[in-house]
Amino acid sequence: DTGVSQDPRHKITKRGQNVTFRCDPISEHNRLYWYRQTLGQGPEFLTYFQNEAQLEKSRLLSDRFSAERPKGSFSTLEIQRTEQGDSAMYLCASSLVTNIVYGLAPYEQYFGPGTRLTVT
Amino acid sequence: GQQVMQIPQYQHVQEGEDFTTYCNSSTTLSNIQWYKQRPGGHPVFLIQLVKSGEVKKQKRLTFQFGEAKKNSSLHITATQTTDVGTYFCAGPSAGGTSYGKLTFGQGTILTVHP
Repeated sequence: DTGVSQDPRHKITKRGQNVTFRCDPISEHNRLYWYRQTLGQGPEFLTYFQNEAQLEKSRLLSDRFSAERPKGSFSTLEIQRTEQGDSAMYLCASSLVTNIVYGLAPYEQYFGPGTRLTVT
Repeated sequence: GQQVMQIPQYQHVQEGEDFTTYCNSSTTLSNIQWYKQRPGGHPVFLIQLVKSGEVKKQKRLTFQFGEAKKNSSLHITATQTTDVGTYFCAGPSAGGTSYGKLTFGQGTILTVHP
């Protein structure tokens, strides 16, 4: 399977615990995105990487969230001191952007199956 | 900040009926993308529209991008049970370094009764 993969698919944790999710993008893709989706809502942007550089982090994201993409391949998203409000589906997506032109949007994004987090 | 709104939130149709969902952005968009998410699945890219007034067709699906590039629509002709899912529009954020970021609408949930 050459699509985007995420691990684990489900995570149940107690409030206050730390959790880490992994995303493996499509191998030739240089951009990687993290989104959060709650029931009845569209994906909400969290952060994204161009190769190993983290280019933007949502202002809505607290300091408890951190993401890395150390070698420009896979990425991890860590949530520290989880709260019940963190319960959601965490989606990873990747895309291949060959030209970055001012004002030109990124190309289509390929989403992974997501990690469903439940904080009890 | 930028907002992307979709209506309706829900649409129930009988198989064979047509379906339309509308997307409106608070800002002008350089392009708009449409995604479909099946129940229990993840968003899957359908199409990207770039030009003002652009119309694209994929079999029974017709996508339009408004002249002012602030609205878009998706129309499905003669729905089938395989069309069930949530349809999202998404636009790139305006300005700054946000070209990688997509703002999604809340989606339109389509159910099709056989």
